[in-house]
Amino acid sequence: DAGVIQSPRHEVTEMGQEVTLRCKPISGHNSLFWYRQTMMRGLELLIYFNNNVPIDDSGMPEDRFSAKMPNASFSTLKIQPSEPRDSAVYFCASSFQLAAELFFGEGSRLTVL
Amino acid sequence: AQSVTQLGSHVSVSEGALVLLRCNYSSSVPPYLFWYVQYPNQGLQLLLKYTSAATLVKGINGFEAEFKKSETSFHLTKPSAHMSDAAEYFCAVSTSGANNLFFGTGTRLTVIP
Repeated sequence: DAGVIQSPRHEVTEMGQEVTLRCKPISGHNSLFWYRQTMMRGLELLIYFNNNVPIDDSGMPEDRFSAKMPNASFSTLKIQPSEPRDSAVYFCASSFQLAAELFFGEGSRLTVL
Repeated sequence: AQSVTQLGSHVSVSEGALVLLRCNYSSSVPPYLFWYVQYPNQGLQLLLKYTSAATLVKGINGFEAEFKKSETSFHLTKPSAHMSDAAEYFCAVSTSGANNLFFGTGTRLTVIP
């Protein structure tokens, strides 16, 4: 079975550029989560969706970050403009009915120069 | 609000030795507790979960954890460490589901041959 699929796996960009990270959740899962992982702050929940609707975006750092889920099989996390402090690994995870067993993708490692 | 504390950010054991990773939780209501494992350059994977059934929970790869309410602990153990167990381990707590899942700061396990 296909797990959570994220792209790109690695992204290197320059400060001020737009970054778009993509996620395909596991088929049949109706909850999707975006996390950020850094050495300093560990794992932080940025936003989550239930049935394609954003439920809680209180973890989104600032207005430069936005996330969408146009359908049950696709979500994006966009950073515009990007800054060096956004450098991190961004994980997408999905679950069924907000069950606490999360299935994580392999992450997108973002480096902003 | 709930939280978890993982004691020891780094643990080293010899191959074949007992693995003990410590986790203490704080929760005002009966919690759900989890251990996740993260191998290098991968996402998190569920090892085991406690959901108020048996207090001794067995997971994948020979790991188990025991829920001790009196000690507010959920320590992870494995009788004999294998080189392939080298990874980062995260304890997590929830009171209702993935929308309020809180992760600890992680413990990096090193296995010495």
